[in-house]
Amino acid sequence: AQKITQTQPGMFVQEKEAVTLDCTYDTSDPSYGLFWYKQPSSGEMIFLIYQGSYDQQNATEGRYSLNFQKARKSANLVISASQLGDSAMYFCAMKHRGSSASKIIFGSGTRLSIRP
Amino acid sequence: DGGITQSPKYLFRKEGQNVTLSCEQNLNHDAMYWYRQDPGQGLRLIYYSQIVNDFQKGDIAEGYSVSREKKESFPLTVTSAQKNPTAFYLCASGLTDTQYFGPGTRLTVL
Repeated sequence: AQKITQTQPGMFVQEKEAVTLDCTYDTSDPSYGLFWYKQPSSGEMIFLIYQGSYDQQNATEGRYSLNFQKARKSANLVISASQLGDSAMYFCAMKHRGSSASKIIFGSGTRLSIRP
Repeated sequence: DGGITQSPKYLFRKEGQNVTLSCEQNLNHDAMYWYRQDPGQGLRLIYYSQIVNDFQKGDIAEGYSVSREKKESFPLTVTSAQKNPTAFYLCASGLTDTQYFGPGTRLTVL
């Protein structure tokens, strides 16, 4: 069965420092997609970054990068030069790619707090 | 502006009542989804629809119903059969690889 694990319930980071949010996944499917979403206190889920299982290079979007280690089934999110506005819940998610049922499963989330 | 809208933002319901949550998108996405989020938890899939007039149960469909009569709209009804409906409900729509979310509806049962 597919599963997403986020082992850090909460993290505190000093402003301007880089931060890594951990995510491991479990799947027996060769084709899948990995996502990170940000959820501020308003509740809306904001798409940050996507990595396909066959992508050769790690995905990057501005200050966000995904450290994809396929053999270790790891998809950590790296935020460079953290800002106060980065304080939010962060969810790692996985989609089974290629099936007719495009379902996404979510991890339990990590609450990131940026200190000024 | 293109996007996903959900209404209302807050909803209160008495026990035993059915209530319908609205979700509309103008992104021309074929697929739409409903998720439930409990405090301190991730999202769990309730129902999803890949195309108009078709939908499938997700992981926690009991006590919920949906319809997909138009591409733009995917309303969710929380029925009296749902034993613990107080939660935050998020609607999403998407293309092949990404889902985009609405602002959510917070439902409280009194």
